[in-house]
Amino acid sequence: QVQLVESGGGVVQPGRSLRLSCAASGFIFSSYGMHWVRQAPGKGLEWVAVIWYDGTKKYYADSVKGRFTISRDSSKNTLYLQMNSLRDEDTAVYYCVRDSGVIGPEFDYWGRGTQVTVSS
Amino acid sequence: DIVMTQSPLSLPVTLGQPASISCRSSQSLVHSNGNTYLNWFQQRPGQSPRRLIYEVSKRDSGVPDRFSGSGSGTDFTLKISRVEAEDVGVYYCMQGTHWPPVTFGGGTKVEIK
Repeated sequence: QVQLVESGGGVVQPGRSLRLSCAASGFIFSSYGMHWVRQAPGKGLEWVAVIWYDGTKKYYADSVKGRFTISRDSSKNTLYLQMNSLRDEDTAVYYCVRDSGVIGPEFDYWGRGTQVTVSS
Repeated sequence: DIVMTQSPLSLPVTLGQPASISCRSSQSLVHSNGNTYLNWFQQRPGQSPRRLIYEVSKRDSGVPDRFSGSGSGTDFTLKISRVEAEDVGVYYCMQGTHWPPVTFGGGTKVEIK
């Protein structure tokens, strides 16, 4: 069965960096686009970034552009999110999401999320 | 960016009664290919979101048939025909027609009266 397991979250000071990972299993990872979606405490869902199935295209939310980098390693079936220059407002649960869509994104599987807390 | 507006914010419902959630987009969600990429997600307390409905009205596998989606253009609705205790949670609409970015509605909290 499809599994997405995020890791790498924690407490970090403003301005520092963190790298999130998402281990995928139960499907052919290299055939699917992948996204990161986050949820601040008590708030709604916010899309963060997407990477194409082959890694050729990447897009970011304006709120993280220039600070976050999405990447993937299909040999390890793993998705990454490198987060630099972290801010208080980046505090959230970060979800790894599989995209089964061809045209529009189809978020069919979500991981359980990893908590990132930015605080001095 | 497309703005998705949900109403109401909170929806107290009696068990066994119907519930309806509205989602409006700032632009038509009809894609140039004729499809409409409007999804509905359920997030139960303490859980990850789970997709219920895609392309306006297609139910995901395993989703009870008391959930239905409808609408077109800029106005969409998620209906629960008879609310059960397990339906408590927050419901989000999401558009994937004009992306990036993907955008979500602010959420509607369904609770039992």
